[in-house]
Amino acid sequence: GEDVEQSLFLSVREGDSSVINCTYTDSSSTYLYWYKQEPGAGLQLLTYIFSNMDMKQDQRLTVLLNKKDKHLSLRIADTQTGDSAIYFCAERSYNTDKLIFGTGTRLQVFP
Amino acid sequence: DGGITQSPKYLFRKEGQNVTLSCEQNLNHDAMYWYRQDPGQGLRLIYYSQIVNDFQKGDIAEGYSVSREKKESFPLTVTSAQKNPTAFYLCASSSRVSATNEKLFFGSGTQLSVL
Repeated sequence: GEDVEQSLFLSVREGDSSVINCTYTDSSSTYLYWYKQEPGAGLQLLTYIFSNMDMKQDQRLTVLLNKKDKHLSLRIADTQTGDSAIYFCAERSYNTDKLIFGTGTRLQVFP
Repeated sequence: DGGITQSPKYLFRKEGQNVTLSCEQNLNHDAMYWYRQDPGQGLRLIYYSQIVNDFQKGDIAEGYSVSREKKESFPLTVTSAQKNPTAFYLCASSSRVSATNEKLFFGSGTQLSVL
């Protein structure tokens, strides 16, 4: 079945770049997403990328997709304390029409 | 403002009791979803509904029930059959205009705990 994996924690200094990684197993993925969850809140869609793209940039966010290795990453430039949250990647499976979420990566930004 | 509202924010359940979590949206979305979130785990799909008066089981539907009598509302009942109900419950909706690029809008969640 489909599986999406992420590392659980990432700690970075304010002003540095953060890179959050995600791997998935479903070769029929069409769209891949990054969601952000702040403490005690729901998830908020940050960005998404279509599977035939390699890269997408949106202000401080850069998404890189390596479809061959089934690897997705989210780079946050100039990380701020307000970026501290849990980041979920998710993939939309064409075969099952399901949205599969990863376990989430907790990003902690320290001064 | 358009959005999706969950209530209550916190809920406590006694053993053997059924409890109902509310989810309301005014985004005119056709599809609505219930997810369960446990610490260190991804979101797991409980139930979903693509249209009024219709819903399907997700991956962990046992011990839960839903109804979709109105487009705006998708309440979730956690029954006494759910033996481990303590979790953060998230409701979401989407327009599903394009099924392959479906953007979910989430409520702020309900934390359910067992007394």
